[in-house]
Amino acid sequence: SQKIEQNSEALNIQEGKTATLTCNYTNYSPAYLQWYRQDPGRGPVFLLLIRENEKEKRKERLKVTFDTTLKQSLFHITASQPADSATYLCALTNYGNNRLAFGKGNQVVVIP
Amino acid sequence: DTGVSQNPRHKITKRGQNVTFRCDPISEHNRLYWYRQTLGQGPEFLTYFQNEAQLEKSRLLSDRFSAERPKGSFSTLEIQRTEQGDSAMYLCASSPPGDRDTQYFGPGTRLTVL
Repeated sequence: SQKIEQNSEALNIQEGKTATLTCNYTNYSPAYLQWYRQDPGRGPVFLLLIRENEKEKRKERLKVTFDTTLKQSLFHITASQPADSATYLCALTNYGNNRLAFGKGNQVVVIP
Repeated sequence: DTGVSQNPRHKITKRGQNVTFRCDPISEHNRLYWYRQTLGQGPEFLTYFQNEAQLEKSRLLSDRFSAERPKGSFSTLEIQRTEQGDSAMYLCASSPPGDRDTQYFGPGTRLTVL
């Protein structure tokens, strides 16, 4: 069966450090992978998209890697700030598909 | 604010009642999506419209659920004979013609079925 796995345990990290989240998937052939941020009671907010032929993507303090051999994406927040505290969702789209398939999300808590 | 808007933001209803939610996508966005999210889970795809045509439906969308997008602008999601298991956040998202890969989500409608 298809699975998208994100760590269920919250990541507590000291302000200024780098937070690293993992997204593993099975039985998907994703055309691209996306990361979203979600705050409590709000809809997800798009952060970054990385295509299957791209190894790495950066946007300000965010970095995403995509390894289709390992079937894994890593999401990094460098120089983390308390305002980065949120749940981060990984989402995949298969070729020829319009729907996003999401992982459960991984909560990040940045401690001042 | 020119983002995706959803109404109502919260809905409490009794089991067996019908409810209808509305989504107004970002102007000029031709693709519109509905997702459902329960506590501790990621959003799950329900259905997708391109303009007014409903092109894809998930198996989650039972016959009690119906979605429409008349005229290819706003969309409505109706749930008939609500059940307690329908309690969730219902999210709408839209994509522009030039960037079909990125979905912009609304704030969601939280449904509680008593």
